Amino acid sequence: GQNIDQPTEMTATEGAIVQINCTYQTSGFNGLFWYQQHAGEAPTFLSYNVLDGLEEKGRFSSFLSRSKGYSYLLLKELQMKDSASYLCAVKWDYKLSFGAGTTVTVRA
Amino acid sequence: AAGVIQSPRHLIKEKRETATLKCYPIPRHDTVYWYQQGPGQDPQFLISFYEKMQSDKGSIPDRFSAQQFSDYHSELNMSSLELGDSALYFCASSSTPGTPTEAFFGQGTRLTVV
Repeated sequence: GQNIDQPTEMTATEGAIVQINCTYQTSGFNGLFWYQQHAGEAPTFLSYNVLDGLEEKGRFSSFLSRSKGYSYLLLKELQMKDSASYLCAVKWDYKLSFGAGTTVTVRA
Repeated sequence: AAGVIQSPRHLIKEKRETATLKCYPIPRHDTVYWYQQGPGQDPQFLISFYEKMQSDKGSIPDRFSAQQFSDYHSELNMSSLELGDSALYFCASSSTPGTPTEAFFGQGTRLTVV
């Protein structure tokens, strides 16, 4: 199988930084995506990485190390609206597989 | 910008009935993925299509079938519905499988089986 592991839950304070780690099986890897999902809504695309390194998009950054099968999503200057589930997804050829998601709770 | 369109948004069916869900991908996207998401669960991959051919199959029950048409829209047909089929069904589209590309989701169809 294509195991994707990420923490189940994380809690942080408004204005803080949170890092969500994701590890995956490396064989056949063809890109890694991060999605944000609020309950009952569709996943919203945040970022994707295919090469090693850091991709920055405003308050969100994503990092990838292909040799280690590792990625993280960094959320900076947390806002209450960032409370959501964050899904790590890995693309292998014709399949996009998801991790179980990390529920991030932002507290005032 | 055009996004992935799914219809209907909500659907209520009785047990043993049939349901058809539709997905219209982003223009020029030739790959469609279907996912099922139960309450509190991550999206589970059902099936994908590339250029109107099935490209991969996940945990799709035999009671379900799907196809992609010449205009690249896709339909998921679900027969002999069971209570456990109640879930959010998402469709995502992307272009050119085998190369890194973004995948975008539709808003989903909420299916309730009663």
